[in-house]
Amino acid sequence: KQEVTQIPAALSVPEGENLVLNCSFTDSAIYNLQWFRQDPGKGLTSLLLIQSSQREQTSGRLNASLDKSSGRSTLYIAASQPGDSATYLCAVKGTSGTYKYIFGTGTRLKVLA
Amino acid sequence: KAGVTQTPRYLIKTRGQQVTLSCSPISGHRSVSWYQQTPGQGLQFLFEYFSETQRNKGNFPGRFSGRQFSNSRSEMNVSTLELGDSALYLCASSSGEPAGELFFGEGSRLTVL
Repeated sequence: KQEVTQIPAALSVPEGENLVLNCSFTDSAIYNLQWFRQDPGKGLTSLLLIQSSQREQTSGRLNASLDKSSGRSTLYIAASQPGDSATYLCAVKGTSGTYKYIFGTGTRLKVLA
Repeated sequence: KAGVTQTPRYLIKTRGQQVTLSCSPISGHRSVSWYQQTPGQGLQFLFEYFSETQRNKGNFPGRFSGRQFSNSRSEMNVSTLELGDSALYLCASSSGEPAGELFFGEGSRLTVL
């Protein structure tokens, strides 16, 4: 059974700092891994999608990497801004035949001005 | 291109009532999945519909049901509401392909009194 873990659960950093969010999963048989951002009371916004054959994806100040063999993904945020404050979730879709994503519990990020 | 639309955004019900939530996916997407999000349990998968057929189901009681129409719009219904059903209900749309990206709506906030 796939399990997805995100550590730390919460993180507070000063503005301008580069930071890394971690996502671990127990079953390496995945189609893809997706990172999302969620603002309080809102839906999830897709940030980056990494296919199983890819090692990383980049979008602006965000870079996500995937290491299937070790069951890990990292989301790197460069030059953090107060507007980056949100909860970040990762989700993996396995190849077991079911078509559902398994979500981590998220990392709540606060960037201090 | 319009995103995923969920209605209503907010609703208040009393115990024992039933509720129907609606989701219109991104044009061309054939898969709609539903999630329940609560502070204590995080994001939990309810079910997924693809081309009007339920393709996958989470571990929720039979009071939770759904359907998908020929235009890919989906509804979920919760009967005999309980206090614990208070949550943010999120709908996600995708192409339905195994490696397809997931896109979320803003959610329907249900409060049960």
